[in-house]
Amino acid sequence: DTGVSQDPRHKITKRGQNVTFRCDPISEHNRLYWYRQTLGQGPEFLTYFQNEAQLEKSRLLSDRFSAERPKGSFSTLEIQRTEQGDSAMYLCASSFVQGAEYEQYFGPGTRLTVT
Amino acid sequence: QKEVEQDPGPLSVPEGAIVSLNCTYSNSAFQYFMWYRQYSRKGPELLMYTYSSGNKEDGRFTAQVDKSSKYISLFIRDSQPSDSATYLCALTRHGQNFVFGPGTRLSVLP
Repeated sequence: DTGVSQDPRHKITKRGQNVTFRCDPISEHNRLYWYRQTLGQGPEFLTYFQNEAQLEKSRLLSDRFSAERPKGSFSTLEIQRTEQGDSAMYLCASSFVQGAEYEQYFGPGTRLTVT
Repeated sequence: QKEVEQDPGPLSVPEGAIVSLNCTYSNSAFQYFMWYRQYSRKGPELLMYTYSSGNKEDGRFTAQVDKSSKYISLFIRDSQPSDSATYLCALTRHGQNFVFGPGTRLSVLP
């Protein structure tokens, strides 16, 4: 399978704990995006990387959220001191620049439940 | 006013019907327009994209963009029960920040 993969698929955590999610994009894709989706809503943009550089962050991305893409391949999204409002599906997507930036391919998502 | 608006549905149609799904948007700077299909508890799947105004057809799907009205549509011909999903429109200026609509839930009844 050469699609976008995310790990874990589900995470249940207690309020105040830190969590980290991983995304592995399609191998030749140099752009990687993180989104958050809540029930009945479309994905909301959080941040994106081109190679290892984080080029844009949404104001939704509070100080408790941090994302990295250290070698321009996989990416991690960490949420510190989780709150119940962080419960959502966290989606990763990737695309290839040079003419196909709009062709984003999504992973299956990580569903986070904060109790 | 939200950047992208979409009727949430649910929209129920009989098998074989023509389905029309629509989004309106407020920012005239958007240039690329996409439609995604999302099955329950799965990631969105890219169906079609169009650049600027015009029509694009792919099998049973036709995407239409009217930039002057800030209105985009997706038509599904000969709808099938397997088309039952949430359909999301997405817009971007230059392939960086993508803005998604809330999605329309479609049910195609056999």
